[in-house]
Amino acid sequence: AQSVTQLDSQVPVFEEAPVELRCNYSSSVSVYLFWYVQYPNQGLQLLLKYLSGSTLVKGINGFEAEFNKSQTSFHLRKPSVHISDTAEYFCAVSELQGAQKLVFGQGTRLTINP
Amino acid sequence: DVKVTQSSRYLVKRTGEKVFLECVQDMDHENMFWYRQDPGLGLRLIYFSYDVKMKEKGDIPEGYSVSREKKERFSLILESASTNQTSMYLCASSSDRIGNQPQHFGDGTRLSIL
Repeated sequence: AQSVTQLDSQVPVFEEAPVELRCNYSSSVSVYLFWYVQYPNQGLQLLLKYLSGSTLVKGINGFEAEFNKSQTSFHLRKPSVHISDTAEYFCAVSELQGAQKLVFGQGTRLTINP
Repeated sequence: DVKVTQSSRYLVKRTGEKVFLECVQDMDHENMFWYRQDPGLGLRLIYFSYDVKMKEKGDIPEGYSVSREKKERFSLILESASTNQTSMYLCASSSDRIGNQPQHFGDGTRLSIL
């Protein structure tokens, strides 16, 4: 069975600073990888996904993530954050074969300070 | 745009009551999912469904059941509500049984059991 670990439960950064949110996964088979964002009082929306091909994936709102198979990681980055990026971020995986079930990490709360 | 609508944003019920949470999607998606979200635990899958009248247990099905009588509607049922079922509940849908399709989420129902 697969599992996902988000290494930081909270990340505070100043506005216009770069940020990296870390995600590591464990699986015995190949996986698809996703990052979702949850703004206050809303459901989750997709930021980006890795299915195959280039290991650097670009998403919405200036975010990108890099898939590293040897380190089983899928870290999310943004070079310059804005106040509006304050939200909770979830990393998730699903297996290529079998049921289309997502397994989520515990979430990282990103707080942007002016 | 896909729209997933959960019938209530906030709900307060008493211990022992039978509780129904309703979810409707408007994009003819085959797959529908129910998660609960708790601080520090991320999202955990309760039940999912690939088709009308079928259901499969997720990771934490105890104390819950589901119903899918029509393709667009997926209901979560708490047979006899208990205080440890106080949580945020999220419904999601996706278009394919292949794991590379993103899930689309509703805004959630915050359920309190007194």
